[in-house]
Amino acid sequence: QQPVQSPQAVILREGEDAVINCSSSKALYSVHWYRQKHGEAPVFLMILLKGGEQKGHEKISASFNEKKQQSSLYLTASQLSYSGTYFCGTERRTSGTYKYIFGTGTRLKVLA
Amino acid sequence: DVKVTQSSRYLVKRTGEKVFLECVQDMDHENMFWYRQDPGLGLRLIYFSYDVKMKEKGDIPEGYSVSREKKERFSLILESASTNQTSMYLCASSLAGQGSGELFFGEGSRLTVL
Repeated sequence: QQPVQSPQAVILREGEDAVINCSSSKALYSVHWYRQKHGEAPVFLMILLKGGEQKGHEKISASFNEKKQQSSLYLTASQLSYSGTYFCGTERRTSGTYKYIFGTGTRLKVLA
Repeated sequence: DVKVTQSSRYLVKRTGEKVFLECVQDMDHENMFWYRQDPGLGLRLIYFSYDVKMKEKGDIPEGYSVSREKKERFSLILESASTNQTSMYLCASSLAGQGSGELFFGEGSRLTVL
């Protein structure tokens, strides 16, 4: 039911790149990405809409493959501030409205 | 500055107690959500509401109920708390409509049931 994220955890050094994947068993209309720092609320990074439109963060990019029902988040030249848990979220249609379902999360730690 | 406020950051309750978690948003959002966050399981949707007095079950509604009497306030109720409901609870709000954009989250309420 929940989108599955991979990897579950990743450790990298400042300046290195990382890719986080999000895969759904159900059709995706849109994909959202959030980052949660320890002890804080999750914060919106970006949304990718069906049809290719992307809105969000200037230093982090993402792709959305509607056919494969997958999205990937690309963090290039990682900074210490990128550390946190990343969640992908999707909209699922329900009776009369849409609900937001989140993935299992990826813990990312950037070392100096 | 937009805000979602959860009434209690930390609560400790005993098994069988009734627990109320309150959430208030000041953005005039139609949608409000309750999630629980557990290590390795991510954020799981308990209930959500898309209008006053309207509610829908999420993926794990068992043992929970909700109330939305005013647009800005969404309450999560544990009728009889159990130890397996020990968790971090996150409230969120958003505008209505598909693809409408981001959810705004509160800072969370960490509940421990003894």
